[in-house]
Amino acid sequence: RKEVEQDPGPFNVPEGATVAFNCTYSNSASQSFFWYRQDCRKEPKLLMSVYSSGNEDGRFTAQLNRASQYISLLIRDSKLSDSATYLCVVNTGTYKYIFGTGTRLKVLA
Amino acid sequence: DAGVIQSPRHEVTEMGQEVTLRCKPISGHNSLFWYRQTMMRGLELLIYFNNNVPIDDSGMPEDRFSAKMPNASFSTLKIQPSEPRDSAVYFCASSPQGATNEKLFFGSGTQLSVL
Repeated sequence: RKEVEQDPGPFNVPEGATVAFNCTYSNSASQSFFWYRQDCRKEPKLLMSVYSSGNEDGRFTAQLNRASQYISLLIRDSKLSDSATYLCVVNTGTYKYIFGTGTRLKVLA
Repeated sequence: DAGVIQSPRHEVTEMGQEVTLRCKPISGHNSLFWYRQTMMRGLELLIYFNNNVPIDDSGMPEDRFSAKMPNASFSTLKIQPSEPRDSAVYFCASSPQGATNEKLFFGSGTQLSVL
């Protein structure tokens, strides 16, 4: 079993739609959680950290469920510019950032 | 700030040749990571340096891979001899302290193709 698992997609959604991705992790001792965004042929960039109480940044909402060992990302009012691959990242201690293989999102006009 | 700088952006080489990838981390960051990204396996950590010292090289695939960080502003990843299965995108990333909740800053990556 992979340490971090994501549905690869693609998720094809129309502009303005709401879309949600989940990510599961296997290490119950994981300490911190993140969502990164990666555009085609570009480097990953931090989208947002995920806090225990859940957090929001504009149209983006991230949530953590430690009991079930998953994190989620909700995108409201999707824009064409949101089209990208979203990487779930789990930190299991100091430098150990484990990346999921990503969920691809395509927002359609 | 110039960000993490990697070179070359693209490298095409023949099997058996030596390949050297270069990275300049963000000034003041004391943690440096080399990752490899493939479609099948995603991003995999190859090696981690802290204060120029290799802390964890357990992700280095085999002895053909080596990495150095001679000073705080420069690191290299070398593959010798290269093989077609080494074809991937290699990313260098840095972070300020190497703490558990830090943002990783990635370079633009090196697309390596071994023919």
